[in-house]
Amino acid sequence: DAGVIQSPRHEVTEMGQEVTLRCKPISGHDYLFWYRQTMMRGLELLIYFNNNVPIDDSGMPEDRFSAKMPNASFSTLKIQPSEPRDSAVYFCASSLNGLHHIQYFGAGTRLSVL
Amino acid sequence: KNEVEQSPQNLTAQEGEFITINCSYSVGISALHWLQQHPGGGIVSLFMLSSGKKKHGRLIATINIQEKHSSLHITASHPRDSAVYICAVRPNSGGSNYKLTFGKGTLLTVNP
Repeated sequence: DAGVIQSPRHEVTEMGQEVTLRCKPISGHDYLFWYRQTMMRGLELLIYFNNNVPIDDSGMPEDRFSAKMPNASFSTLKIQPSEPRDSAVYFCASSLNGLHHIQYFGAGTRLSVL
Repeated sequence: KNEVEQSPQNLTAQEGEFITINCSYSVGISALHWLQQHPGGGIVSLFMLSSGKKKHGRLIATINIQEKHSSLHITASHPRDSAVYICAVRPNSGGSNYKLTFGKGTLLTVNP
């Protein structure tokens, strides 16, 4: 398996624009996690899905952020409208069983909002 | 005060030295993770622990649930071990919630 695949690897956009980050989990994994990493706050869990259903989105900063998982092999994290403070590295991870197995991380998307 | 505290924040060692990184947490947990983040940014899960000790190659992770403390040890350290090591805990809040709380990380530099 190619592992967790995220796209794009880098995104530079202007304030106010819509940004969509994409993630393909490892085939067969039933948990998917979205994380954000900044220098100030470190790694933070934004939202996670189990069998394509959002379980906990309490980490999503505000209504400008939304995440979907239309099927077992694809998820998106959308920011609309984007702001400079959203600049961070966004990681997607998947696991076979979220409670008892390790998570496999994608390479991350480095987002810069100017 | 953060729920997860790591020490030291920065650690510089010579190749071959034995390394210990510590993680203390303030809440009851059901699992603790150790992650490795390389300079390129990629994150790798090293261990998930709920009790005792785990070993993988030169890496050893231990946890003491009563003392709310975990350590990550690296034996015979090598420059390729240079990375940020991150501790994360899953609070024992019951149910199926899987929200991890992360430490700020320990930056390890191993010099040849």
